[in-house]
Parts: sequence; structure tokens; C-alpha cells
Amino acid sequence: EDQVTQSPEALRLQEGESSSLNCSYTVSGLRGLFWYRQDPGKGPEFLFTLYSAGEEKEKERLKATLTKKESFLHITAPKPEDSATYLCAVPNAGGTSYGKLTFGQGTILTVHP
Amino acid sequence: GAVVSQHPSRVICKSGTSVKIECRSLDFQATTMFWYRQFPKQSLMLMATSNEGSKATYEQGVEKDKFLINHASLTLSTLTVTSAHPEDSSFYICSAGQGYSNQPQHFGDGTRLSIL
Repeated sequence: EDQVTQSPEALRLQEGESSSLNCSYTVSGLRGLFWYRQDPGKGPEFLFTLYSAGEEKEKERLKATLTKKESFLHITAPKPEDSATYLCAVPNAGGTSYGKLTFGQGTILTVHP
Repeated sequence: GAVVSQHPSRVICKSGTSVKIECRSLDFQATTMFWYRQFPKQSLMLMATSNEGSKATYEQGVEKDKFLINHASLTLSTLTVTSAHPEDSSFYICSAGQGYSNQPQHFGDGTRLSIL
């Protein structure tokens, strides 16, 4: 069974204080790893897809990286508007689970001005 | 691209009422749509998977007669909560995929359902 674990559960940063969020995964054949951002009262917003170890994707202050066991979401010089819950997920493959996502529990990021 | 619209965003109604939530993919064809429920400060819980033109597949513990799902076209899926009761109050979110498991799902903005 696929498993995804995110850490920390919550992270409080000062504006400009860079940090990283972790997503560890155990899957039977990685078909991709997705990062989403979720604001309170909203659905998750797609950020990145990573497919293979060593791959990196960037968007503004965010950079996602992938190894064979985990993914990191690096946040450089965060701003208060980066405050949100960040979710990672992996797709299941094959049989009746095709297309389903296994989500981590999320990291609640709060950036103080 | 990859916009999913969910309507309504908020519903408040009396116990016993049936409520329909719509999920539309606006700029792509969604062969598969997913319905989730989210409790406060928890991650998303998958309720069911629907493929266009076929019956939905429900997760264990989800009552198919309580949560009716229809996916009649490649751009529209609906979730009807029948005879809703206060315990059905929750945040419901849909997502749409293009049929490839290595492609991301795109999510609607959710529906906050409150049953009085």
C-alpha cells in the first residue's frame, strides 16, 4: 500500500526566513509526485509534478525536488501570502485504484510579517 | 488551463433536504472525476471515483444511496447528498483528471455544506 508522510505538521516562519517542507513516500513504482497548495476554504491548487529522482521544478519562491524516497518543497524568502497548507500526493496505479491519489497529511505553513 | 469549477460554493439547508453539487471541467475533457470530503484540519478523504458514462466506484464505508454521483458527460459530474442530515455537514471537493494516472488532478474550490 502506498504511503505518504509529510513533515513538519506545522511550520511558522518569519517573512524572508527560508525553509523546506518534506514529503516521504513509499510506493510500488512511482508514477509521479504532485505538490498542491490549499488555502482555507478552498480546493487544492496544483503546483508541481515531479517524475524522476533528481528532477527539480521552480515557481516564484518555491522549488520542488525529488529523490528516490522523498521530495522537498523549498521556500526561499517567503512572504505572508505564502501561508497555506501544502500537500503532496502520489497517484496509485493499476487495477481498481487507477488514478486515485494518496495524500500526505499536509504541512500548515504560516509566514509572519 | 485545467480549470475546474464547482457550484455552489456554500449551501445551508434543513435536515431532510437533498442537495446537488456540480463539478465542471471548463477547458479540458475529464474522463475521470473524483469526489472528496474534508474535515477541519484533516487531509482529503476520497469518497468515490466516477468515469464518464459508467457507474461510480465508492470507497469503503461511503453509502452509495446517500451520495449519488452522476458523470453524464466529459465535462460534468454531480454529487447529490440525499436526505441530508447534520452529520453530512462538511466540505466537499471535486477533482478532475484526464485519464492518465501520471497526470495531476485539478480541483474545484469546494462546497461548504451545512445542514441545520
